[in-house]
Amino acid sequence: GNSVTQMEGPVTLSEEAFLTINCTYTATGYPSLFWYVQYPGEGLQLLLKATKADDKGSNKGFEATYRKETTSFHLEKGSVQVSDSAVYFCALSSSGGSYIPTFGRGTSLIVHP
Amino acid sequence: DVKVTQSSRYLVKRTGEKVFLECVQDMDHENMFWYRQDPGLGLRLIYFSYDVKMKEKGDIPEGYSVSREKKERFSLILESASTNQTSMYLCASSGGRGSYEQYFGPGTRLTVT
Repeated sequence: GNSVTQMEGPVTLSEEAFLTINCTYTATGYPSLFWYVQYPGEGLQLLLKATKADDKGSNKGFEATYRKETTSFHLEKGSVQVSDSAVYFCALSSSGGSYIPTFGRGTSLIVHP
Repeated sequence: DVKVTQSSRYLVKRTGEKVFLECVQDMDHENMFWYRQDPGLGLRLIYFSYDVKMKEKGDIPEGYSVSREKKERFSLILESASTNQTSMYLCASSGGRGSYEQYFGPGTRLTVT
């Protein structure tokens, strides 16, 4: 079956540091890949997505590239801000017919001033 | 923008009470989902629905039921609330097949005493 593995947190960084949150997956077919973000006290919201190999999703300074050869979709940001403190979820939806996503466990990011 | 609303942000109920959590989406989405979110366990799918009056069990349906009488509304029912159902409940919706990203409501934090 499908699965998503993310690095465990919390990830603690100083403001303006470089961020990487690792995500690898196993899936049948050709999945679409997503990063969601959950700010404190809120639901999840879509941050970015990529639907085919070598696609790069980007939003709000965050980027992730769909790497089929390494089955990875790592999230990166060049300079984090305190306001980026949140929990980040990697997810996939298989194009094999199921529309039910598989989520990673989430990675908490804490950014200090 | 897609909007998913949930009836309550915070709810406190007593053991044995029947509890209704309501979710409404305004984008004519076919698919709707109920998750619970617990620390260290990530998101777990309780039930989902791909059409009016249709429902499917997710990973943890025990102790829950659902109702979808109208396309825009998906209700989660706790028939007899128990303390182990204290959790954050998240509703989500998504479009038809081929549109896999999910849109989440703000969540309901339920406490059962």
